[in-house]
Amino acid sequence: KAGVTQTPRYLIKTRGQQVTLSCSPISGHRSVSWYQQTPGQGLQFLFEYFSETQRNKGNFPGRFSGRQFSNSRSEMNVSTLELGDSALYLCASSLDRGLAGVTDTQYFGPGTRLTVL
Amino acid sequence: AQSVTQLDSHVSVSEGTPVLLRCNYSSSYSPSLFWYVQHPNKGLQLLLKYTSAATLVKGINGFEAEFKKSETSFHLTKPSAHMSDAAEYFCVVTYKAAGNKLTFGGGTRVLVKP
Repeated sequence: KAGVTQTPRYLIKTRGQQVTLSCSPISGHRSVSWYQQTPGQGLQFLFEYFSETQRNKGNFPGRFSGRQFSNSRSEMNVSTLELGDSALYLCASSLDRGLAGVTDTQYFGPGTRLTVL
Repeated sequence: AQSVTQLDSHVSVSEGTPVLLRCNYSSSYSPSLFWYVQHPNKGLQLLLKYTSAATLVKGINGFEAEFKKSETSFHLTKPSAHMSDAAEYFCVVTYKAAGNKLTFGGGTRVLVKP
């Protein structure tokens, strides 16, 4: 079974531009989460989507948004880019069977490295 | 609220010697705990997870971790380090009511000397 894929792998943008990153989860996985990784702040949760709805959200400004499609693929968008948005953006998917007391494992993609100049 | 503290930002070991990566967690609820590894320019790979079953958890590549509730710890060990173990390791906590939101420790970078 193919793993989580993310496109593109690398992006270079300038301040003020916007960017869209894409994530394809493992086949059959219904939940997709996004994380930002920077040297200073480490790994931080952005948001989670399940059945095309945002189910959970981290502490990021409204410039960061996302969506999920009916096939569970997800995109995240960052508008009005700032230098501080330079980071590795990781996507993770999980089955999320909804079983009581069960925490399904999240599987991560290779990430998209965004550089803002 | 939940949080994770990895007590060492860097660990250096010689090949063939034991590895110990320390992790303490704080969670108001019964936690699920994970260890992930990240090799340079790669995503995160799951090493092992604890979800309230056996307290000693065995993972891939010879790693294991022990959940100690009284000490709120989940330390990762490996009896004999290999050069390929050089990477960054993350201790991660979540709990059911948090949904799929993972909280990461700051990471421990492991250097393996020949």
